[in-house]
Amino acid sequence: SSELTQDPAVSVALGQTVRITCQGDSLRGYYASWYQQKPGQAPVLVIYGKNNRPSGIPDRLSGSSSGNTASLTITGAQAEDEADYYCNSRDSSGNHYVFGTGTKVTVL
Amino acid sequence: QVQLQESGPGLVKPSGTLSLTCAVSGDSISSSYWWSWVRQPPGKGLEWIGEIYHSGSTNYNPSLKSRVTISVDKSKNQFSLKLYSVTAADTAVYYCGRGFSSGFNDAFDVWGQGTMVTVSS
Repeated sequence: SSELTQDPAVSVALGQTVRITCQGDSLRGYYASWYQQKPGQAPVLVIYGKNNRPSGIPDRLSGSSSGNTASLTITGAQAEDEADYYCNSRDSSGNHYVFGTGTKVTVL
Repeated sequence: QVQLQESGPGLVKPSGTLSLTCAVSGDSISSSYWWSWVRQPPGKGLEWIGEIYHSGSTNYNPSLKSRVTISVDKSKNQFSLKLYSVTAADTAVYYCGRGFSSGFNDAFDVWGQGTMVTVSS
């Protein structure tokens, strides 16, 4: 299967921790990358590889992986973390990309 | 600073061809990156369309492969998307992006701002 499944929505209290998961067979062979998208804006890469953050991404965002599941954790969520988050990886063939279904994160 | 800028018609007629171009600045399209197109229908998630390397090698989403062509113009430092036989289901914001592949660490590190394309008569 080339699908990546995410929970549609999660909420987190300000300052608390939330974990977003992404499940798919391709994640057994490829790391997921994670993208943050705010309304009306292009996606922004926040995590790639084992747990790498591009320059400018706060360290309260972190990634991990186990088996067929990749996770993005926000530790000490801030109001500016409210956004849609998408995972992405190569499919099992290695020749195509697939995006996850997306998770809307609400910071209460 | 690398920047990508999409351009093309915002309105395409059903059964017509959607044509978009992504201009790359701050980097050479002949560098060691793959260049992708991604789309997002209104209110929905992201869908990868396909990618091209400067050599001309391409990979396409199997669900769109029969209707898509991605090409590169090294002289203009840009790449293009053509989507044929469009329907209302192809209405979306279309993004271009730069993709890097390092072992099993693949990601899109630079994105264009996106351009809305509506399919309607």
